[in-house]
Amino acid sequence: DAKTTQPPSMDCAEGRAANLPCNHSTISGNEYVYWYRQIHSQGPQYIIHGLKNNETNEMASLIITEDRKSSTLILPHATLRDTAVYYCIVTTSGTYKYIFGTGTRLKVLA
Amino acid sequence: DTAVSQTPKYLVTQMGNDKSIKCEQNLGHDTMYWYKQDSKKFLKIMFSYNNKELIINETVPNRFSPKSPDKAHLNLHINSLELGDSAVYFCASSPGTSGRGFSDTQYFGPGTRLTVL
Repeated sequence: DAKTTQPPSMDCAEGRAANLPCNHSTISGNEYVYWYRQIHSQGPQYIIHGLKNNETNEMASLIITEDRKSSTLILPHATLRDTAVYYCIVTTSGTYKYIFGTGTRLKVLA
Repeated sequence: DTAVSQTPKYLVTQMGNDKSIKCEQNLGHDTMYWYKQDSKKFLKIMFSYNNKELIINETVPNRFSPKSPDKAHLNLHINSLELGDSAVYFCASSPGTSGRGFSDTQYFGPGTRLTVL
């Protein structure tokens, strides 16, 4: 079973920030938080990952709470092309295994 | 410059047939994977191969046999296809120790939609 809980769906206005929450209250110290998205039926696309510190790349920012029990993926200026299912995954390095949950279906509205 | 590619993109076949799906990655990664995404959109790991060796087999029926002829290829052969095998199959790869340090980040192919009639 997935170790993460996400809201099933969210809407966001185009041009606004999309904040996608993820709960991983049972995360252990050596587990990373990964975010992927799947646009329509394409292959999942890597977005960002982190262990303890907040991370930022050209696609998004990842904010991990100090107790590491939850995180938020931030898409700073959502566009229509960001409409997708977003998956939050918790995994231990070297286990070669992602367990996907049901994700959050983000709809960006014009 | 395709990273992870799969062939075919679509596969329609009859129950009982045997079919193969091919996967290739040109990223120089050590580890490759097969995932299955069913009609309810649940995405589930099937196999992981590291340096051509099977490291994860997630209780997949033995009608499914992965084959890794080299680090860049991981093919999936399915015998005696059943209606329940209809799904989208995704191949993925990750660097393992092939890059600087160790990385688990997985990169997925475009998927193969298998329909069993």
